[in-house]
Amino acid sequence: KAGVTQTPRYLIKTRGQQVTLSCSPISGHRSVSWYQQTPGQGLQFLFEYFSETQRNKGNFPGRFSGRQFSNSRSEMNVSTLELGDSALYLCASSTVTGELFFGEGSRLTVL
Amino acid sequence: GEDVEQSLFLSVREGDSSVINCTYTDSSSTYLYWYKQEPGAGLQLLTYIFSNMDMKQDQRLTVLLNKKDKHLSLRIADTQTGDSAIYFCAESKTGTASKLTFGTGTRLQVTL
Repeated sequence: KAGVTQTPRYLIKTRGQQVTLSCSPISGHRSVSWYQQTPGQGLQFLFEYFSETQRNKGNFPGRFSGRQFSNSRSEMNVSTLELGDSALYLCASSTVTGELFFGEGSRLTVL
Repeated sequence: GEDVEQSLFLSVREGDSSVINCTYTDSSSTYLYWYKQEPGAGLQLLTYIFSNMDMKQDQRLTVLLNKKDKHLSLRIADTQTGDSAIYFCAESKTGTASKLTFGTGTRLQVTL
């Protein structure tokens, strides 16, 4: 069974640009969550989508948004990038029991 | 508020047992988890415990939960060099199983 796939794995952007990250969950998983990992703030929850609807949201500004498609694939978007948005963005899909399975992440560098 | 704390670093010799500790503040936590992160990789779920349990064993891993003191520990028996990684504890509440609050992470270094 294929794991959670995140693309791209690495990307470099400049301040003010926007970025879209993609996540394909494990087949059969309908919930997708996104986390931001930075050395200073650690791992922080961004949002969760289930059946194309945002079910939970963390404490991030509106520049961070996401969506989920009918095939459960999810994207997250960050607009007007700031230097502090440089991070590893992790996607996780989960079973009905709530176990999270993480992808390897997309490492974003903002210059 | 929610806060999950861990010590930053632990060094053990190969073959010894490792004990990684975690404290949390939110008494409404339902599930408590241990994740492992190797360099350049995502998070791997190692084990989890429901808040009404006080111990769970899974091969080399033993999780102890002291709900009164809000203290969680992970014991790794016969620690191997492949266990070198960062270990995160995390907690979730009923109805928000995908919204985890993570600890700061403990870097485990296994020496020969």
